[in-house]
Formats: sequence, structure tokens, C-alpha cells
Amino acid sequence: QVQLQESGPGLVKPSETLSLTCAVSGYSISSGYYWGWIRQPPGKGLEWIGSIYHSGSTYYNPSLKSRVTISVDTSKNQFSLKLSSVTAADTAVYYCARHHDDGSGSYYNGWFDPWGQGTLVTVSS
Amino acid sequence: SYELTQPPSVSVSPGQTARITCSGDALPKQYAYWYQQKPGQAPVLVIYKDSERPSGIPERFSGSSSGTTVTLTISGVQAEDEADYYCQSADSSVVFGGGTKLTVL
Repeated sequence: QVQLQESGPGLVKPSETLSLTCAVSGYSISSGYYWGWIRQPPGKGLEWIGSIYHSGSTYYNPSLKSRVTISVDTSKNQFSLKLSSVTAADTAVYYCARHHDDGSGSYYNGWFDPWGQGTLVTVSS
Repeated sequence: SYELTQPPSVSVSPGQTARITCSGDALPKQYAYWYQQKPGQAPVLVIYKDSERPSGIPERFSGSSSGTTVTLTISGVQAEDEADYYCQSADSSVVFGGGTKLTVL
């Protein structure tokens, strides 16, 4: 059974870069699927950040695109998120998840399952 | 930007039927997905492709679609179903609804 686990600093200073890693077990990333990042500010709803295909193609939320980089390391079976120039508005629980394709060939037509447990990242000096 | 609209809250008594709606202009041509999120936990997929139920999800969870509205129906609601529910779809990008808090009275 596929399991995902996020890791990274829980506290980041304003203007710095947030870096998180998602370790995948029970499935080889290089075998397929998209892999995504979603965040949830405290007490608020879910926001898709971006996804990466197992081949390395990336897709980002237009509202975050200028600050986001997602990469994959198939040798370690993990993928990573970098979000630059963070502010307090980036404080959130960050989740990674396997991103399924509905068969249409468009990355955005799909669902997320399973999810990691999430990790809280606070942006504060 | 594209938006999916959900009611902020729905309340039902145990054993009754809960219906949570999600509206969006692109829903007639895009699938919708539903997630359940309990406090302090990660979201869990309960419906995919409008009406398909993943393995392990109870049969009381069902989904339907009509025009610009999709609906998550929970039949015979149990106390354990109290949670936030989010719809998700797309219109050239991935979009989540604002979430609906289901309260079991």
C-alpha cells in the first residue's frame, strides 16, 4: 500500500525559501502517476500548489507559479517542493499526495489519493 | 479564476440523509471528486469521477452530477461522518471548493 510522508523545517523566516520533501513507500515513483503538493492555511480550505509527472514534467497553480519549484528524485523515491519569498500568508499545513489521471491526458483532470499526514510550516521571524 | 461553490455548513440528525452540493460552470464537462477531512487529519478521497467510490469507503457515500452542480450524498448518516467535505474539479487547473462542515446533531 502506498504511503507518503512529508518532511522539512517547521519554521521559515519571511522572504526565505520553504523546502519540503515527500518520501514515497510502497510504490516506485518512476513507474508512473503524477505527484502533487496541496496546502491548507490554519482554519481554511485546500489549495493545490502543483504536481509533477514521474518523467519530471511540472504543472503549477498559476497564482503561485512564479515562486514554486517541484522536482523528483527517483533514486530516493521522493519528490520535493520549494516555495520562494515566503510571507506569513504561506503559513499552512502542506500535504503531498499521489495525483491520479482520469485518462483524459490532462494533468488537472484527476484526483489525489492517498495523502501524506501533512506538515505544518509557519512563516515567522 | 475558476471557482467551485459549496455551502459552508450542513446539519443532519443521525440516520438521516445529508446532501452536500458543489457548483461550478465547468462541471458539465469535468469530473468532480470529494474528500472527507476530520479535525487534525489529512483529507481522504470518498468519491472520484463524479460517482465512483474507492475501495474501503462505505456504501452510504454516493455522488451524482446534474448540469453545473455535483452532489455528495451520505445516506443513514452516522456520528463518525461529522467532518469537513471538499469538492475538487478543474478548468485548466486544479481547483478545490471552499469546503462544507457537516454537523451530525
